[in-house]
Amino acid sequence: NAGVTQTPKFRVLKTGQSMTLLCAQDMNHEYMYWYRQDPGMGLRLIHYSVGEGTTAKGEVPDGYNVSRLKKQNFLLGLESAAPSQTSVYFCASSSRDRDRQPQHFGDGTRLSIL
Amino acid sequence: GIQVEQSPPDLILQEGANSTLRCNFSDSVNNLQWFHQNPWGQLINLFYIPSGTKQNGRLSATTVATERYSLLYISSSQTTDSGVYFCAVDQPTNFGNEKLTFGTGTRLTIIP
Repeated sequence: NAGVTQTPKFRVLKTGQSMTLLCAQDMNHEYMYWYRQDPGMGLRLIHYSVGEGTTAKGEVPDGYNVSRLKKQNFLLGLESAAPSQTSVYFCASSSRDRDRQPQHFGDGTRLSIL
Repeated sequence: GIQVEQSPPDLILQEGANSTLRCNFSDSVNNLQWFHQNPWGQLINLFYIPSGTKQNGRLSATTVATERYSLLYISSSQTTDSGVYFCAVDQPTNFGNEKLTFGTGTRLTIIP
């Protein structure tokens, strides 16, 4: 049982380059989330999705775009990477069941922008 | 937005000691989660606890929603308990799901 899988695990980019982080979940969850974690801080919500084709902004959305074309996948895009986007990125998913369920997290993607 | 504060920020203990970590939040919430982030960066969900007390082995958690705080107890600490402990609170969105706001964490170091 894979749960939430993030690809890639590590990446180094140059300023101005673009890239896409992939999150895949196999639990048939409706809700998916992207967070970033900076040194000495907790996670902060970037964007989230409540279903295919539906996304919304979180606490720190600037500089990122997202897409949810399939229920199991949630993509996070950086169009023009900046050093301030150096961070560890976590994806999470959760169920819409009536009994509230916790968010399940992937292992993170460590991204460095030079 | 809601504020989530954790204390203490750092804690160093001898193996076998007990500890209490605190999480205060500034507004009403639907739920609260405690996480352990291990030295490899993985986030492990410890408790999902809107109110009351839950126990899992050497760990237990208590949330008093009316007073807006939660406590995480670790008894008989082991070196594998080292890492950062986060609390995160659930708040509803307009879509009906919930989003998490994290505290800044308590870094726990257990010395053999």
